Amino acid sequence: QKEVEQNSGPLSVPEGAIASLNCTYSDRGSQSFFWYRQYSGKSPELIMFIYSNGDKEDGRFTAQLNKASQYVSLLIRDSQPSDSATYLCAVFTNTGNQFYFGTGTSLTVIP
Amino acid sequence: ETGVTQTPRHLVMGMTNKKSLKCEQHLGHNAMYWYKQSAKKPLELMFVYSLEERVENNSVPSRFSPECPNSSHLFLHLHTLQPEDSALYLCASSQELAWDTQYFGPGTRLTVL
Repeated sequence: QKEVEQNSGPLSVPEGAIASLNCTYSDRGSQSFFWYRQYSGKSPELIMFIYSNGDKEDGRFTAQLNKASQYVSLLIRDSQPSDSATYLCAVFTNTGNQFYFGTGTSLTVIP
Repeated sequence: ETGVTQTPRHLVMGMTNKKSLKCEQHLGHNAMYWYKQSAKKPLELMFVYSLEERVENNSVPSRFSPECPNSSHLFLHLHTLQPEDSALYLCASSQELAWDTQYFGPGTRLTVL
């Protein structure tokens, strides 16, 4: 079983729509959750992190965490073509101080 | 220079070669990391250093040898690599092992022939 799972996509949304990216994790002891954006040929860039159940908003981005369901998501409102990238979910767990990434979801925003 | 820099950006080496990757951070951070990114696989954390002490070694083969001489510099020494070691090697830094302050360098694209 993979520690962090994401649909690889590609996910395509029209410009202005809401993009919804999902991630599940296997370790119930996981405490911290992160979303990275990686443009093609570039390194990952941290865009959001969340520690508590519920929603966390930052501009057009909202991270949602449900620890009971072991599920974390990222919503991108008013999607722009510049949001086209691969989005990586990452989870930190105190069990062995491990930091796991998913394989990423490719998002394309169509003008 | 700003942020996290890595040299070289591209490296081709034979299986019998010895080479080193260099990472330098200009952010005043005190934790540094090496990651491996292979196609179709999750980003893998290889090594973690905090205050120049190694705090994590995730079952990485001994043909990869890290070195952290000070909090601004991190090296990854490579020897007798295999073709499956070809990947993008990313360095990152953060303040005090705080994953929410982690910044990545541009990476070194390694090809092992």
